[in-house]
Amino acid sequence: SQKIEQNSEALNIQEGKTATLTCNYTNYSPAYLQWYRQDPGRGPVFLLLIRENEKEKRKERLKVTFDTTLKQSLFHITASQPADSATYLCALPFSGGYNKLIFGAGTRLAVHP
Amino acid sequence: EAGVTQSPTHLIKTRGQQATLRCSPISGHTSVYWYQQALGLGLQFLLWYDEGEERNRGNFPPRFSGRQFPNYSSELNVNALELEDSALYLCASSLYQGERIQYFGAGTRLSVL
Repeated sequence: SQKIEQNSEALNIQEGKTATLTCNYTNYSPAYLQWYRQDPGRGPVFLLLIRENEKEKRKERLKVTFDTTLKQSLFHITASQPADSATYLCALPFSGGYNKLIFGAGTRLAVHP
Repeated sequence: EAGVTQSPTHLIKTRGQQATLRCSPISGHTSVYWYQQALGLGLQFLLWYDEGEERNRGNFPPRFSGRQFPNYSSELNVNALELEDSALYLCASSLYQGERIQYFGAGTRLSVL
C-alpha cells in the first residue's frame, strides 16, 4: 500500500543556514507532490506543488526537488530564519483512485538565532 | 477573498455527548475534506464531500458522520463522544478538478472530558 515517510525527528539548524527536509514514498508513482507548512494549533498552509515532469520548483527562499527514480522529494529553505520554524508536511494524491491527498506525518523544523 | 472558516474555535463536551463542527469552504470550491489531528500526531483523513455527496471516508467508526449542504458548507458530527476523540479537527476545501491544492481552516479544538 502507499506509504509516505518524513523524518520524525526535529531538524534544528542555525539561522542563515539552509534547511533540507526529506519526503520518501513507496509503492506509488504520483503525478505531483505538494508541500505544506503547519504552525502549532493551526491548519496547514500550501507552499509549493511540483509535478512528476519537473525536477525542481522555486518560490522565493523555497526550493523543492522531485526525483521519481529515488521516489523522493527534497524541500529546501535557504537563508533560514526563526520565523521558518514550523512543521512541514508533504502530501501526495491517493493512489487508490480517489481524488484526495495523503499527508506525511511532517518534520518539525526549529531555526535558532 | 475569504478563506475557509470553521466554527466553533473550541468545543468542550463530556463523554457520550454529541459534537457538531461546521465548515465554510472558499467560494467556488466544491470539495470539502475533514481531518482529525490528535496532539503531536499527523493528519488523519476523515471524510471527503463533493457536490453534496460523501465521496470517501477514512478508517473511522460510523459515529463520525457529516454532510455537505447545497451552498457547499459542511458539518461534521461525532456521536457518543469518547475521550480519545479529543483532537484538532481541520476542514479543508479545494476545487474538484486539477491538482487539488487544499486550503485549510484554523480548526476546531474538541476536548472530551
